[in-house]
Amino acid sequence: SQQGEEDPQALSIQEGENATMNCSYKTSINNLQWYRQNSGRGLVHLILIRSNEREKHSGRLRVTLDTSKKSSSLLITASRAADTASYFCATAIYGNKLVFGAGTILRVKS
Amino acid sequence: NAGVMQNPRHLVRRRGQEARLRCSPMKGHSHVYWYRQLPEEGLKFMVYLQKENIIDESGMPKERFSAEFPKEGPSILRIQQVVRGDSAAYFCASSEVTRAAGANVLIFGAGSRLTVL
Repeated sequence: SQQGEEDPQALSIQEGENATMNCSYKTSINNLQWYRQNSGRGLVHLILIRSNEREKHSGRLRVTLDTSKKSSSLLITASRAADTASYFCATAIYGNKLVFGAGTILRVKS
Repeated sequence: NAGVMQNPRHLVRRRGQEARLRCSPMKGHSHVYWYRQLPEEGLKFMVYLQKENIIDESGMPKERFSAEFPKEGPSILRIQQVVRGDSAAYFCASSEVTRAAGANVLIFGAGSRLTVL
C-alpha cells in the first residue's frame, strides 16, 4: 500500500485562485517532500519539510506538516496556467528510499 | 552541469526481447534510484543503488528484472523477456550522500518510455 496518499486526486481551478493539496501518510517520518511532474516529464523537487517543522514557504508555495495527524498540505497561491501538473508527496519510511503517493492532478484554467 | 541523463527516451520491444535502460547520475551524486510509472499513476519504487552495491531492491520483481551501478559507467536497468505489462515509464533519480534519513532530494531524469508490442 502507498505510504503517502494525496487528496484530491484531481483539482481544477481558475488562474489566480489558490490550490490546496493534501497528503496523508501512515508511519513516522523524518522528512516529507513535495514534487511536481509536468506531463511526460520527470519529477522536480519543490520543497522539503522536516518532522520538527510545522510550516515552510518557498515563493508561492506553502507547506504545512502535522505529525500528530500524519498529514501535510501544499498550498499554491495565485495559481498560474504554468502550475498545471501532477503533484506528489514523498516520504522515507526508512533509509533514503522515497515512497511516493499517487499524486494530485492540478489543472489551472486561464 | 548536466542533470540526470537517461537513455533511450523511447524504446519499443516485442514480447520476449530484452530492454536495457541507462541512467547517468548527476555529477557528484553517488546514489541512484529507479522508479516505474504506469499511466495516470504515481511512481513505484524499484531499486536503490550505490556504486557497485544494491542497497534496497524491495520493489524489484523477483524475475526478469535486474539493476546494476558499476564503478565506471551508467546504471543499467535490465528487463529480460519483456511482457506487455512491462510497458511503462521508467524514471531514474540520483542524490548525493546525506546523513539524515529521508533527507535526500532526488534529481530525476526525463524517463525512458518502454512500449512492449
